[in-house]
Amino acid sequence: EPEVTQTPSHQVTQMGQEVILRCVPISNHLYFYWYRQILGQKVEFLVSFYNNEISEKSEIFDDQFSVERPDGSNFTLKIRSTKLEDSAMYFCASTTTGEPEQYFGPGTRLTVT
Amino acid sequence: AQSVTQLDSQVPVFEEAPVELRCNYSSSVSVYLFWYVQYPNQGLQLLLKYLSGSTLVKGINGFEAEFNKSQTSFHLRKPSVHISDTAEYFCAVSDQGFKTIFGAGTRLFVKA
Repeated sequence: EPEVTQTPSHQVTQMGQEVILRCVPISNHLYFYWYRQILGQKVEFLVSFYNNEISEKSEIFDDQFSVERPDGSNFTLKIRSTKLEDSAMYFCASTTTGEPEQYFGPGTRLTVT
Repeated sequence: AQSVTQLDSQVPVFEEAPVELRCNYSSSVSVYLFWYVQYPNQGLQLLLKYLSGSTLVKGINGFEAEFNKSQTSFHLRKPSVHISDTAEYFCAVSDQGFKTIFGAGTRLFVKA
């Protein structure tokens, strides 16, 4: 069964550094998403992406964040200058046209020190 | 705007007892409803989903949920829980798949 993959599984970075989290969505999917979950809290929507542009973003997704689909398979989330409060689990998800269920990846745990 | 309310933050229950985890949602459009389970330090696993059709939905691990449109609820139930069901459970709502809104989660703690 096809699945969403994410790399790395755990990323440790220093405050102020740039990080790129990578996702490979399911191959025929057209809609892509990032969510985050701060430890012990709920999963929060960050951004949705379709047709090479952002379709919706939350108030969390400020200028420090950006997303990109650099090629036909990867979907990335970049945080330009990480802060301590960016420490969280980041989940990528994808879906296809007309399919309300999103398929989630296993997550990347980001630790900012 | 959509929202999800999980009425219980923690639910302790004895092994082999029944359990119900409550979820209410609000939405101005047709919704799709989901329950996810998250074990410690792991990702999200889909338990079950309501997209359309029968309001009683059966999922994995013996869980089921009932969609009640008039009460805007989607409560999760299991007739007999196991120690291995101890986890965090998230109710979620989605409209046409543009984003999924999650509830705050309910921690199910199954005691021996």
